[in-house]
Order: sequence, then structure tokens, then C-alpha cells
Amino acid sequence: DAGITQSPRHKVTETGTPVTLRCHQTENHRYMYWYRQDPGHGLRLIHYSYGVKDTDKGEVSDGYSVSRSKTEDFLLTLESATSSQTSVYFCAISDFQGPYGYTFGSGTRLTVV
Amino acid sequence: DQQVKQNSPSLSVQEGRISILNCDYTNSMFDYFLWYKKYPAEGPTFLISISSIKDKNEDGRFTVFLNKSAKHLSLHIVPSQPGDSAVYFCAASAAGGGADGLTFGKGTHLIIQP
Repeated sequence: DAGITQSPRHKVTETGTPVTLRCHQTENHRYMYWYRQDPGHGLRLIHYSYGVKDTDKGEVSDGYSVSRSKTEDFLLTLESATSSQTSVYFCAISDFQGPYGYTFGSGTRLTVV
Repeated sequence: DQQVKQNSPSLSVQEGRISILNCDYTNSMFDYFLWYKKYPAEGPTFLISISSIKDKNEDGRFTVFLNKSAKHLSLHIVPSQPGDSAVYFCAASAAGGGADGLTFGKGTHLIIQP
């Protein structure tokens, strides 16, 4: 498997608290993505990065921010968690500008109570 | 507005038979299509892809067909095996190669019956 790890794997947090999810890769891939998976919605893009300090919004970016200070790490922050952000979050990486099969991490299951 | 549609939430197929998963899209700018397979508690894994310049791509038991005029693609698995039981996502990218992300369908849960 490609070197991509997500942490934590599971998290329960309270409404209104900030939460940061981490995606770490050892593949030196330029592109990194955060998706969320919800029943009835499939996978939806939150934010993506095309290089260090270069990020952009996806389809469902409200309430989320990201940072990429080095190639290997892409952080997703829920500024003030809400119950609607209960979801499974997946990070993905790609090594060039082409959809030749993103590689996904194993996911983080986040529950906001 | 859903740009990639998988209208069958689930599909049950007998082991050894052909599984056909369907996907429709609305965005005429999509030029590359992919299928991902997902097991519970794991991330999606890339299965097969097809460029809009082709109408068929084959990889072992998996074949993807693209009908651009109908904006329709399908994934054929033959013969179906128990390990094929998973959720299958159709995904697409527009010109630009997908650097700005893939658009996914909602998925189809394939169940292979023994």
C-alpha cells in the first residue's frame, strides 16, 4: 500500500470544539485531498492542496479549513464542530496532475455529540 | 445538483455470473472516468479507469464501457467472485486532469451471493 496514514482513526468530540485531523504521506506526492463520506451522498470534496501552502476549496468547504506547511502533511480543521460534521473523512494523494487513481487513506470516523 | 449518478444503491448477483454496475453523468466537460471499490472500514481503492477517447477498457475480470453520446458508463465484472462484494464508486474528472478533485457518485453496494 502507498504510504498514507490518517490520524486519529476514530474521534468523538463535543459540539463547538475545534478538531484537527491529520493526513501524512511518505510518497512525496504533490496533490492531497480531503473528502467526507456520508450515507446517501457518496464522497464529497472538502479541500485540496496542489503544493505546500497552496490550497483550494472543494464542494463542501464551509466550516472547514486546511493547512499544508510541508509536502507530507495535510491538516483538516473543523473550526467549531457541529453534529452535521459527523462523518467519515478520507484523505487522498496523487503524484501528478491526472486522475490516474488517487490513493486513499483508511479514513477517520468523527462523531460530534 | 448531482453530476455523477449511480441510480442503483445495491445490486445482488450470483457467484460466477456477470455483475453490471451503471453510472450516468451530466457534465459534458468530464473526460476521464474511474471506478473505485470500497470495503467496510477501509479507504476506496482504484479499480479501473477510462479516457473519453476510448469506449472500452479491460483489466482482467473488469471491463469499463463508455457511451459518450448517452453520458453513460458501466463496469462489468465477470465472473463475479465473493471477494467482489463491496461498494463501488463511479468518479469523473473534467479537463485539467482531476487535480482539482474527482466528482463521485453515491455508490452501489454489490453483493455476490454464493
